[in-house]
Parts: sequence; C-alpha cells; structure tokens
Amino acid sequence: SQKIEQNSEALNIQEGKTATLTCNYTNYSPAYLQWYRQDPGRGPVFLLLIRENEKEKRKERLKVTFDTTLKQSLFHITASQPADSATYLCALGGPSGNTPLVFGKGTRLSVIA
Amino acid sequence: EADIYQTPRYLVIGTGKKITLECSQTMGHDKMYWYQQDPGMELHLIHYSYGVNSTEKGDLSSESTVSRIRTEHFPLTLESARPSHTSQYLCASRESGGRNEQYFGPGTRLTVT
Repeated sequence: SQKIEQNSEALNIQEGKTATLTCNYTNYSPAYLQWYRQDPGRGPVFLLLIRENEKEKRKERLKVTFDTTLKQSLFHITASQPADSATYLCALGGPSGNTPLVFGKGTRLSVIA
Repeated sequence: EADIYQTPRYLVIGTGKKITLECSQTMGHDKMYWYQQDPGMELHLIHYSYGVNSTEKGDLSSESTVSRIRTEHFPLTLESARPSHTSQYLCASRESGGRNEQYFGPGTRLTVT
C-alpha cells in the first residue's frame, strides 16, 4: 500500500536558520505534491503545490523541491521565525482528479528565538 | 480566508446520542471531504464526495454516515455516539480539476462522555 513518511515528528531550529523538512513516499506515483501548514486546533492551510514535471517551486521564504526518482520532496523555510512554528504536512495527489489527497503524518517545527 | 464553515465548533454529548456535524462551503466546490484527527496525530479520511448525490467511504472505518443533497452542504451523522468517537472532525473542499488546493474548515471538537 502507498506510504508517506515525513522525516521526523519534531524539528527544533534556531531563529534565522533554514528549516528543511522531508517527505518520502513509496508505492505511489503522484502527479503533484502539496504542502500544508497546521496550527494547533485548526485545519491545515495550503502553502505550495509542485507538479511531477517541476523540480522546484518558491514562494517568498518557502521553497519546495520534488524528485520523482528519489520519491522525495524537500520543504525549506529560509530565515525562519518563531511564527513559523507549526506542523507541516505533505500531501500527494494522484493522476486522477477524483483521487483524494494522501496526507503524511506531519512534522512539528519549533523555531526558537 | 477559506469560505468553509463547520458547526458546532465544540460539542460535548453523552453516549448513545445521535449527532450531526454540519459543514458548508460557499465556493461552489464539487469535492468535499471529512477527516478525523486526534491531537498531534495524522489526518484520517473517513468520507468524501465528488458532487451532489455522490458519497464514498474513506480509508478509516467509521460508524458515521454522510449525505450530499446540495453542493454547498456535506453533513456528517453519528447515529449513536460512543467515547471512541471523541476526536476532532475536519471538513474540507476543493474544486474539480484535481490539482487544486484543499480548503479546510475550522473543525469540530467532539467529546463523548
């Protein structure tokens, strides 16, 4: 069965550094991958989408890479701030538009001032 | 800000009661989803819908049912609540076309005593 692994349950990083989160998957060929942010007690909020034919996407301080050979996506937050502290989820989208997204368990990021 | 609403936000109810969790969206999205999420844990898809009169079961076995009589409305019903149903329930929607972002509601935190 398809499986998504996000590198660790929790990641602590100092303010100003670059946070790098990993999403690995097996038994799946996604057409695209999305990253979401979730704050405690709230629903996830969409951040970025990257398609299978794209290597990299950027949005302000965020950067996502997608390597379909390694079956891996990396999510970077540069110049991290305490306000970036949250849980980050990756989600895989299948080639069929009707296939529900498959979400990873998430990585809880804490940015320490 | 996503135009997707859930009521109630918090509910404490006794075992054996029938409850309906409401979800509405004003974006005209065809696809809607219900997830269950315990604190600090992953999202579990319990039901989804491609459009009016379409409902499907998700990955997590659930004792709940859903209906989709109108595009904007996707209620979830528990016929007989049990303590094991205590969790957060998140509703989400997205446009047809497959690769669009998913919008989540604020969630309903259910406690069954």
